Amino acid sequence: ETGVTQTPRHLVMGMTNKKSLKCEQHLGHNAMYWYKQSAKKPLELMFVYNFKEQTENNSVPSRFSPECPNSSHLFLHLHTLQPEDSALYLCASSQEYGEVYEQYFGPGTRLTVT
Amino acid sequence: GQNIDQPTEMTATEGAIVQINCTYQTSGFNGLFWYQQHAGEAPTFLSYNVLDGLEEKGRFSSFLSRSKGYSYLLLKELQMKDSASYLCAVRDSNYQLIWGAGTKLIIKP
Repeated sequence: ETGVTQTPRHLVMGMTNKKSLKCEQHLGHNAMYWYKQSAKKPLELMFVYNFKEQTENNSVPSRFSPECPNSSHLFLHLHTLQPEDSALYLCASSQEYGEVYEQYFGPGTRLTVT
Repeated sequence: GQNIDQPTEMTATEGAIVQINCTYQTSGFNGLFWYQQHAGEAPTFLSYNVLDGLEEKGRFSSFLSRSKGYSYLLLKELQMKDSASYLCAVRDSNYQLIWGAGTKLIIKP
Protein backbone atom coordinates (compact mmCIF):
# COMPACT_ATOMS: atom_id res chain seq x y z
CA GLU A 1 0.00 0.00 0.00
CA THR A 2 1.19 3.48 -0.79
CA GLY A 3 -0.02 6.96 0.04
CA VAL A 4 -3.07 7.44 2.25
CA THR A 5 -5.71 4.74 2.52
CA GLN A 6 -9.18 4.95 4.05
CA THR A 7 -11.73 2.31 4.96
CA PRO A 8 -14.56 1.83 4.40
CA ARG A 9 -15.07 3.67 1.13
CA HIS A 10 -18.82 3.78 1.61
CA LEU A 11 -20.87 3.61 4.81
CA VAL A 12 -24.59 3.78 5.46
CA MET A 13 -25.62 4.02 9.08
CA GLY A 14 -28.69 4.78 11.12
CA MET A 15 -28.80 7.57 13.64
CA THR A 16 -28.45 5.17 16.56
CA ASN A 17 -25.46 3.23 15.19
CA LYS A 18 -21.81 3.43 16.22
CA LYS A 19 -19.18 3.07 13.53
CA SER A 20 -15.55 4.01 12.96
CA LEU A 21 -13.64 5.33 9.97
CA LYS A 22 -10.03 4.31 9.56
CA CYS A 23 -7.15 6.11 7.89
CA GLU A 24 -3.59 4.93 7.38
CA GLN A 25 -0.71 6.84 5.83
CA HIS A 26 2.38 5.14 4.41
CA LEU A 27 4.36 8.33 3.76
CA GLY A 28 6.21 8.74 7.06
CA HIS A 29 4.41 12.02 7.76
CA ASN A 30 4.02 13.50 11.23
CA ALA A 31 0.64 15.25 10.88
CA MET A 32 -2.80 13.84 10.05
CA TYR A 33 -6.15 15.52 9.44
CA TRP A 34 -9.85 14.78 9.20
CA TYR A 35 -11.93 16.88 6.80
CA LYS A 36 -15.64 16.94 5.97
CA GLN A 37 -16.56 17.67 2.35
CA SER A 38 -20.17 18.54 1.51
CA ALA A 39 -21.42 19.34 -1.97
CA LYS A 40 -20.51 22.83 -3.19
CA LYS A 41 -19.01 23.81 0.18
CA PRO A 42 -15.39 24.33 1.17
CA LEU A 43 -13.51 21.55 2.85
CA GLU A 44 -14.16 21.78 6.59
CA LEU A 45 -11.21 20.95 8.81
CA MET A 46 -12.39 18.83 11.73
CA PHE A 47 -9.32 17.61 13.59
CA VAL A 48 -5.55 17.89 13.34
CA TYR A 49 -2.95 15.67 14.94
CA ASN A 50 0.74 16.61 15.06
CA PHE A 51 3.07 13.91 16.36
CA LYS A 52 0.00 12.04 17.65
CA GLU A 53 -1.16 15.03 19.71
CA GLN A 54 -4.45 16.69 18.83
CA THR A 55 -3.72 20.32 18.05
CA GLU A 56 -6.96 21.42 16.44
CA ASN A 57 -10.64 20.74 17.07
CA ASN A 58 -12.75 23.11 15.04
CA SER A 59 -15.90 23.11 17.18
CA VAL A 60 -16.84 19.67 15.99
CA PRO A 61 -19.87 18.07 17.73
CA SER A 62 -19.01 15.45 20.31
CA ARG A 63 -20.74 12.76 18.24
CA PHE A 64 -17.46 12.76 16.26
CA SER A 65 -14.53 11.42 18.28
CA PRO A 66 -11.02 11.15 16.82
CA GLU A 67 -8.29 8.76 17.88
CA CYS A 68 -4.65 8.73 16.82
CA PRO A 69 -2.83 5.71 18.31
CA ASN A 70 0.39 6.37 16.37
CA SER A 71 1.68 8.66 13.64
CA SER A 72 0.48 6.34 10.85
CA HIS A 73 -3.10 5.67 11.93
CA LEU A 74 -6.10 7.88 12.50
CA PHE A 75 -9.64 6.93 13.40
CA LEU A 76 -12.92 8.82 13.48
CA HIS A 77 -15.48 7.25 15.80
CA LEU A 78 -19.09 8.06 14.99
CA HIS A 79 -22.16 7.75 17.21
CA THR A 80 -25.72 9.07 17.17
CA LEU A 81 -25.14 10.98 13.95
CA GLN A 82 -27.66 13.25 12.24
CA PRO A 83 -28.75 13.21 8.57
CA GLU A 84 -26.84 16.48 8.00
CA ASP A 85 -23.64 14.60 8.82
CA SER A 86 -23.94 12.79 5.50
CA ALA A 87 -20.87 13.84 3.50
CA LEU A 88 -17.50 12.71 2.18
CA TYR A 89 -14.97 12.36 5.01
CA LEU A 90 -11.40 12.83 3.89
CA CYS A 91 -8.25 11.98 5.73
CA ALA A 92 -4.98 13.73 4.86
CA SER A 93 -1.39 13.71 6.04
CA SER A 94 1.58 16.04 5.69
CA GLN A 95 5.15 16.46 6.84
CA GLU A 96 4.99 19.52 9.04
CA TYR A 97 7.98 21.84 9.38
CA GLY A 98 9.15 21.10 5.86
CA GLU A 99 9.43 23.71 3.14
CA VAL A 100 6.09 23.28 1.46
CA TYR A 101 4.30 20.52 3.35
CA GLU A 102 1.39 19.96 1.03
CA GLN A 103 -1.29 17.61 2.27
CA TYR A 104 -1.82 14.19 0.74
CA PHE A 105 -5.41 12.98 0.77
CA GLY A 106 -6.99 9.57 1.00
CA PRO A 107 -9.89 8.60 -1.29
CA GLY A 108 -12.46 9.39 1.39
CA THR A 109 -15.39 7.62 3.00
CA ARG A 110 -18.80 8.45 1.58
CA LEU A 111 -21.07 8.49 4.64
CA THR A 112 -24.85 8.40 4.46
CA VAL A 113 -26.87 8.77 7.67
CA THR A 114 -30.43 7.51 7.43
CA GLY B 1 -13.74 36.28 8.99
CA GLN B 2 -11.59 34.34 6.59
CA ASN B 3 -12.79 33.88 3.04
CA ILE B 4 -11.67 32.27 -0.19
CA ASP B 5 -13.64 33.08 -3.37
CA GLN B 6 -13.47 31.23 -6.65
CA PRO B 7 -16.01 30.75 -9.45
CA THR B 8 -18.40 27.85 -8.97
CA GLU B 9 -18.17 26.49 -12.50
CA MET B 10 -16.35 27.18 -15.75
CA THR B 11 -16.56 25.67 -19.22
CA ALA B 12 -13.75 25.52 -21.78
CA THR B 13 -12.94 23.79 -25.04
CA GLU B 14 -10.42 21.01 -25.53
CA GLY B 15 -7.09 22.44 -26.67
CA ALA B 16 -7.84 25.91 -25.34
CA ILE B 17 -6.54 27.85 -22.32
CA VAL B 18 -8.50 28.57 -19.15
CA GLN B 19 -7.73 30.75 -16.14
CA ILE B 20 -9.32 29.99 -12.77
CA ASN B 21 -9.20 32.90 -10.33
CA CYS B 22 -9.03 32.83 -6.56
CA THR B 23 -9.26 35.79 -4.19
CA TYR B 24 -8.65 35.51 -0.49
CA GLN B 25 -9.01 37.38 2.78
CA THR B 26 -7.25 35.57 5.59
CA SER B 27 -5.63 36.31 8.92
CA GLY B 28 -2.04 36.10 7.77
CA PHE B 29 -0.56 34.36 4.76
CA ASN B 30 1.86 31.47 4.64
CA GLY B 31 1.36 30.15 1.14
CA LEU B 32 -1.36 29.34 -1.37
CA PHE B 33 -2.11 25.88 -2.76
CA TRP B 34 -4.02 24.61 -5.76
CA TYR B 35 -5.45 21.10 -5.76
CA GLN B 36 -7.26 19.09 -8.43
CA GLN B 37 -10.14 16.80 -7.50
CA HIS B 38 -11.78 14.44 -9.98
CA ALA B 39 -15.31 13.38 -9.17
CA GLY B 40 -15.33 10.69 -6.50
CA GLU B 41 -11.58 10.92 -5.93
CA ALA B 42 -9.18 12.51 -3.46
CA PRO B 43 -7.81 16.02 -4.01
CA THR B 44 -4.29 15.94 -5.42
CA PHE B 45 -1.68 18.68 -5.04
CA LEU B 46 -0.97 20.82 -8.11
CA SER B 47 1.02 23.87 -7.05
CA TYR B 48 2.25 26.07 -4.24
CA ASN B 49 2.97 29.82 -4.26
CA VAL B 50 4.41 31.77 -1.37
CA LEU B 51 6.14 34.61 -3.25
CA ASP B 52 4.60 36.91 -5.86
CA GLY B 53 4.88 35.79 -9.43
CA LEU B 54 4.28 32.89 -11.73
CA GLU B 55 5.15 29.25 -11.07
CA GLU B 56 5.10 27.05 -14.16
CA LYS B 57 4.76 23.29 -14.10
CA GLY B 58 4.17 21.79 -17.53
CA ARG B 59 0.70 22.71 -18.85
CA PHE B 60 -0.25 24.22 -15.50
CA SER B 61 0.89 27.58 -14.10
CA SER B 62 -0.08 29.39 -10.91
CA PHE B 63 0.24 33.09 -10.20
CA LEU B 64 0.19 34.97 -6.91
CA SER B 65 -0.19 38.62 -5.94
CA ARG B 66 -0.06 38.94 -2.15
CA SER B 67 -0.82 42.68 -2.18
CA LYS B 68 -4.05 42.00 -4.07
CA GLY B 69 -4.98 38.80 -2.26
CA TYR B 70 -5.24 37.14 -5.65
CA SER B 71 -4.12 34.01 -7.41
CA TYR B 72 -4.96 32.23 -10.62
CA LEU B 73 -4.40 28.78 -12.04
CA LEU B 74 -3.74 28.70 -15.77
CA LEU B 75 -4.33 25.50 -17.70
CA LYS B 76 -3.01 25.30 -21.26
CA GLU B 77 -3.71 22.84 -24.09
CA LEU B 78 -6.75 21.57 -22.27
CA GLN B 79 -7.45 17.85 -22.36
CA MET B 80 -10.69 16.03 -21.53
CA LYS B 81 -8.98 14.55 -18.45
CA ASP B 82 -8.64 18.09 -17.04
CA SER B 83 -12.37 18.05 -16.30
CA ALA B 84 -12.36 18.23 -12.51
CA SER B 85 -12.82 20.57 -9.58
CA TYR B 86 -9.94 22.90 -8.75
CA LEU B 87 -9.55 23.89 -5.11
CA CYS B 88 -7.73 26.99 -3.89
CA ALA B 89 -6.44 26.96 -0.30
CA VAL B 90 -4.50 29.51 1.76
CA ARG B 91 -2.38 28.73 4.81
CA ASP B 92 -3.10 31.33 7.45
CA SER B 93 -1.04 32.72 10.33
CA ASN B 94 -1.77 29.57 12.37
CA TYR B 95 -0.52 27.41 9.49
CA GLN B 96 -4.01 26.03 8.95
CA LEU B 97 -5.42 25.65 5.43
CA ILE B 98 -8.48 27.74 4.57
CA TRP B 99 -10.25 26.26 1.56
CA GLY B 100 -12.36 27.66 -1.23
CA ALA B 101 -15.46 25.78 -2.36
CA GLY B 102 -13.77 24.76 -5.59
CA THR B 103 -14.30 25.52 -9.27
CA LYS B 104 -15.83 22.78 -11.38
CA LEU B 105 -14.16 22.85 -14.80
CA ILE B 106 -16.05 21.28 -17.70
CA ILE B 107 -14.09 20.57 -20.87
CA LYS B 108 -16.05 20.23 -24.11
CA PRO B 109 -14.72 18.61 -27.29
